[in-house]
Parts: sequence; C-alpha cells; structure tokens
Amino acid sequence: GEDVEQSLFLSVREGDSSVINCTYTDSSSTYLYWYKQEPGAGLQLLTYIFSNMDMKQDQRLTVLLNKKDKHLSLRIADTQTGDSAIYFCAESNDGNNRLAFGKGNQVVVIP
Amino acid sequence: KAGVTQTPRYLIKTRGQQVTLSCSPISGHRSVSWYQQTPGQGLQFLFEYFSETQRNKGNFPGRFSGRQFSNSRSEMNVSTLELGDSALYLCASSFSSGQETQYFGPGTRLLVL
Repeated sequence: GEDVEQSLFLSVREGDSSVINCTYTDSSSTYLYWYKQEPGAGLQLLTYIFSNMDMKQDQRLTVLLNKKDKHLSLRIADTQTGDSAIYFCAESNDGNNRLAFGKGNQVVVIP
Repeated sequence: KAGVTQTPRYLIKTRGQQVTLSCSPISGHRSVSWYQQTPGQGLQFLFEYFSETQRNKGNFPGRFSGRQFSNSRSEMNVSTLELGDSALYLCASSFSSGQETQYFGPGTRLLVL
C-alpha cells in the first residue's frame, strides 16, 4: 500500500539551506513529486523525479532519491522568506494519476 | 496559458445539504483529479476523470460523486453533508491519465455548519 511520511516542522534562517525529508513505502512508486502550499492557496508543483534517477537539480532545488531506503529529500539553497510554506512529497505508481501525499513539512524562514 | 480554475472559492453549507464544486482544467488537459485536504487526514485522493469516464476512485463514501463533461470540465458533488466534510477541495489537471504531472487549482474551501 501507499504510505508517505514526512517530518512536521523546520525553521531556517534566510540565506541558509533547507533540507526536507520524506520516506515512502511503496517500492513500485515510479514518480515522486514535491509540492509547495502557501497559506490559503492550492498546491504548486516544484519538481519531480523519476524513480530511475538518483538526483535532479533545478535552480535552487535539489532532489535526492535513495530507492534502497525509499527516502526522498528536497534541498532548497539560499532559502528566502518567500520559501515559507508547507512542502508535500507525493508518489504515484501503477501507471495512474492517483497521488499519495505525505502529511507535509512546514518550513518557516527567519529573516 | 491559464491555470486550473475552481469555483466557488469559498462555500458555507449546513448539515444535510448538498454541494456542487466545479473545476476547469488547463486548456488541452483531459484528466481531472479531485483531492480533499483536512488538518486531520491530510490530502486524500477522491477520484479521477478522463474523457468523461471515472478512472480511479479513492476510499470515500458514495455521497461523494463526480462527473466530467466533453470539454473536460469536471464537477464533484457531495450529498447529505456532514460536519466532517468541511475541507479544502482541490482539483488537479493533467494532459492524460497515465502518471502525468498534475497541476493544482487554488481549491474550494467548504465549511459545513
């Protein structure tokens, strides 16, 4: 079955790097996603990684995937106040669009 | 290209009433999925529609239903509302139904009194 776990809260100083972690249990997951949700808003797709990749970099974002440990992380370099939000990891598998989400990780950036 | 739009953005209903929420996908997208977000349960998948057919369904009671029109717009309906149905309902669209990247709308916040 699908079960995605995330830690709940992270505070970071502006300019530092943030690392958010996620674990998943479904080894058949083929796509893993990171979404950002700001207060009162929907989900914004940040980045995604295919399960046959170990790493993906997209500007300030770096995604690392450890398939053996079923561990996914998102590193945000040079964290800005606009990065304050809740970050969700999600997985999909079985060739369909059904996403299983973690509980989210709230990131607070301190100026 | 315009993003996913959802109407209404906010809604207040009372127990026992029914509600219909609407979602217009990104132009050219044919798959629409619905999710419920609550503080207690987090984000949970409701159902997905593609080419006017329900492709997947989450673990929700039959009071939750949906449909998709020929222009890919989708509606979801909740009948006999309960207090626990208070949530943010999010719609996501993608080009097709096979593990495509999904783009979310701003959501409809439903409060049941």
